[in-house]
Amino acid sequence: DIQMTQSPSTLSASVGDSVTITCRASQSFSSWLAWYQEKPGKAPKALIYKASSLESGVPSRFSGSGSGTEFTLTISSLQPDDFATYFCQQSDSYPWTFGQGTRVEIK
Amino acid sequence: EVQLVESGGTSVQPGGSLRLSCAASGFIFSDYYMSWVRRAPGKGLEWVANINQDGGARFYVDSVTGRFSVSRDNAKNSLYLQMNSLRVEDTAVYYCARWDGRFFWGQGTLVTVSS
Repeated sequence: DIQMTQSPSTLSASVGDSVTITCRASQSFSSWLAWYQEKPGKAPKALIYKASSLESGVPSRFSGSGSGTEFTLTISSLQPDDFATYFCQQSDSYPWTFGQGTRVEIK
Repeated sequence: EVQLVESGGTSVQPGGSLRLSCAASGFIFSDYYMSWVRRAPGKGLEWVANINQDGGARFYVDSVTGRFSVSRDNAKNSLYLQMNSLRVEDTAVYYCARWDGRFFWGQGTLVTVSS
C-alpha cells in the first residue's frame, strides 16, 4: 500500500500569506494525486487533480506540483475562505489512500 | 447541477447487514467510475470500493473484501454498497463519490455498528 504522509498537520497563517502543504508517498508514482479542501459539515471539494491540474472554478491562487514521492499544494495568497482542512489522495495503485489532513488556521 | 445523495445509514448490531444507496443526478452516470469512501469517528478518510462504468470491474480495500459488495444500476442512476458481517470498526460516515481523476463527493450517510 502507498502511505501518504502529510505535513504539517496544522498550519497557522494570516490572510495574504503564501502557504505550502506537502504530501510524501511511501513509494514513487507519477501524477495520480488529488488535493481536496474540507470544511465542517460540508462535503470535501476537489482543488487539484493529476498533481497539478486546477479544478474548474477553483481560484488560481491554488496550485499543485510534484511527482515521485513528494507533492505540494500551495496557496499563494491566503484568503479568509481558505481556512479549512486540506488532504491529498493517491489513485496510482490500489488501495487508494489519503493523507491524514492539514488544518489551516488563522494566526 | 451534479448531485450525489446517499441514504440507508443507520445503527446496526455487529454481524448485521445494511445496504447503502446513492442517487446521482446532473451528469451521465453511466460514463463514470464510482466509489465509496468512509471516515470513521476521529480518523482519516479511507477509500472502500470502486466500480467501473458497466459494473464489470470492482475493487475493494482489504478490510472489507468478502463482506462488502459495490454495485450500480445505470438505468436508475444509482450506486449501492451492500455491507454484510458488519463490525464495530465499520462505524463511519460513508460517502458516495464520482471519480474522474478526483472525487466529487456526496454529503455522506452515517453507519453505526454497536451492540
